[in-house]
Amino acid sequence: AQSVTQLDSQVPVFEEAPVELRCNYSSSVSVYLFWYVQYPNQGLQLLLKYLSGSTLVKGINGFEAEFKKSETSFHRTKPSAHMSDAAEYFCAVTFPNAGNMLTFGGGTRLMVKP
Amino acid sequence: GAVVSQHPSRVICKSGTSVKIECRSLDFQATTMFWYRQFPKQSLMLMATSNEGSKATYEQGVEKDKFLINHASLTLSTLTVTSAHPEDSSFYICSATTPSGFAYEQYFGPGTRLTVT
Repeated sequence: AQSVTQLDSQVPVFEEAPVELRCNYSSSVSVYLFWYVQYPNQGLQLLLKYLSGSTLVKGINGFEAEFKKSETSFHRTKPSAHMSDAAEYFCAVTFPNAGNMLTFGGGTRLMVKP
Repeated sequence: GAVVSQHPSRVICKSGTSVKIECRSLDFQATTMFWYRQFPKQSLMLMATSNEGSKATYEQGVEKDKFLINHASLTLSTLTVTSAHPEDSSFYICSATTPSGFAYEQYFGPGTRLTVT
């Protein structure tokens, strides 16, 4: 069975400081990885996904994530945080023949301070 | 493209009544829809998976008689919370996938906040 661990429930950063949101997964088979963002009282929006190919995936708003199979990680980084980045972020995993079923991590709340 | 809507966005009901939540794919055909439940400051918990024209598959611990799911068409799935109780108060989110969309991608609705008094 797969599992996803987001190591930090909250990440406080100052505006314009670099940001890293950590995600580790556990799986005995190949996985596909996703990052979603959720704003208060809203659904989830897809930000990044890794299916195959280049292990460095670039998303919108300057965020990128790197798939490291040896470390079973898919950490998400951004060189400079903006106030508008404050939100809840979820890492998720699925795998071939899973019927697109996602397993979510516990979420990380990014708090950006001026 | 790939927009999913939910209705209502918020609903307050009295204990013992039933509430129906609709999930619609607006611009694509959703062969599979998922229903999630989210408690405050927590992650999404998958409740069930529904495929158009067949019975939903419920996750362990989810009462199928309490949370009735119907996926009657390729654009509509409904979740009915029967005999609601205050502990059913939560944020319910649906998502949909399509064979013609990006592989392994789910498109999420905006969620429905249910409050049972």
